[in-house]
Amino acid sequence: DQQVKQNSPSLSVQEGRISILNCDYTNSMFDYFLWYKKYPAEGPTFLISISSIKDKNEDGRFTVFLNKSAKHLSLHIVPSQPGDSAVYFCAAHTGTASKLTFGTGTRLQVTL
Amino acid sequence: GAVVSQHPSRVICKSGTSVKIECRSLDFQATTMFWYRQFPKKSLMLMATSNEGSKATYEQGVEKDKFLINHASLTLSTLTVTSAHPEDSSFYICSATGGDYRGPGYTFGSGTRLTVV
Repeated sequence: DQQVKQNSPSLSVQEGRISILNCDYTNSMFDYFLWYKKYPAEGPTFLISISSIKDKNEDGRFTVFLNKSAKHLSLHIVPSQPGDSAVYFCAAHTGTASKLTFGTGTRLQVTL
Repeated sequence: GAVVSQHPSRVICKSGTSVKIECRSLDFQATTMFWYRQFPKKSLMLMATSNEGSKATYEQGVEKDKFLINHASLTLSTLTVTSAHPEDSSFYICSATGGDYRGPGYTFGSGTRLTVV
């Protein structure tokens, strides 16, 4: 039962353009959503998060949008840079259990 | 910022032996530590949650007698893979939190690549 899904396994974007990574979830009890960036053979690095009571959070080039009615969130990276190439995971936090549930990841490739 | 050190980064062991992986929070007290496993091109799967001084809570399908977790102090948790088999080969990642879960509060180690031959 995959409660957090990232339906696009990969995405290729040209440098300078916008990257949009999507994530869907099924559990309405999640209270926080987080995005992580991960390189092979390394642990995830936190990027940005959003509370379930918000619909947008922005930090520099990264913006996360949350649509609670659609149970959908997205990460926008603009402008995209080659150094952004990595696997991006969305994760959802369950307050009562205090744990994270990860999506399946999207591999972003930013080309020159 | 918060740093979590995980050691070793990679280990190769023979079938039937046990392997211990350490996870340390370097500059904060980790009230809760988590152990994940990642299969190639797959998501991070939570194996267990451990709170300092108490028994770990294992996720469904994870054998607690095979994956022994010890969280004896607020800065150290260990995962021991007992009687390892080739199917235990995977990338194991720990995470620690001091209680703030909003993002930076969950800090991940750099992972351990376990290969069982």
